[in-house]
Amino acid sequence: KQEVTQIPAALSVPEGENLVLNCSFTDSAIYNLQWFRQDPGKGLTSLLLIQSSQREQTSGRLNASLDKSSGRSTLYIAASQPGDSATYLCAVGATGNQFYFGTGTSLTVIP
Amino acid sequence: DAGVIQSPRHEVTEMGQEVTLRCKPISGHNSLFWYRQTMMRGLELLIYFNNNVPIDDSGMPEDRFSAKMPNASFSTLKIQPSEPRDSAVYFCASSLSGGAYEQYFGPGTRLTVT
Repeated sequence: KQEVTQIPAALSVPEGENLVLNCSFTDSAIYNLQWFRQDPGKGLTSLLLIQSSQREQTSGRLNASLDKSSGRSTLYIAASQPGDSATYLCAVGATGNQFYFGTGTSLTVIP
Repeated sequence: DAGVIQSPRHEVTEMGQEVTLRCKPISGHNSLFWYRQTMMRGLELLIYFNNNVPIDDSGMPEDRFSAKMPNASFSTLKIQPSEPRDSAVYFCASSLSGGAYEQYFGPGTRLTVT
């Protein structure tokens, strides 16, 4: 069964810093990897989707990379802002038509 | 499109009562997923449907939980009888077709069982 891990569980950075969130998965037979953002008490908002054939995707200050062979993805956030404070989850779309979620990284950007 | 719609947004009920949560997926999406999220256990997949057929319900906690998808535009998750440990946020999500496509989440239903 696919297992998805996110490290660190929590991260606190000063405003303006660039930061990297990590996601690792155990089975490289995936369709895609999706990064979500969740604000407290809210639902999940999709940030980026990387297909298994792609190496990276970019949206504004966000850049997600995927290395299937090593079972890793990173989400890079440039010039962090207090509004980026949220929990970030990664999810792997895998064979069997399922999605497997990581436990999330709680990000706090300090003004 | 309005996105994935869930109702109610909040539900407070007493232990032993029946609870029904509702979901309308994005039109044209063939896969629907029910998740539960708690602080202790994070996000857990309960069940998912493909073309209205339950494919994997191994995440359903016990027989008190049941889910149906009578047509492509509607699904329900029922808990009978409810217990305090069922208190959680329940999310519904849909995708075009399973894990190969992007997943879209509804706003969730916050269930409190007293």
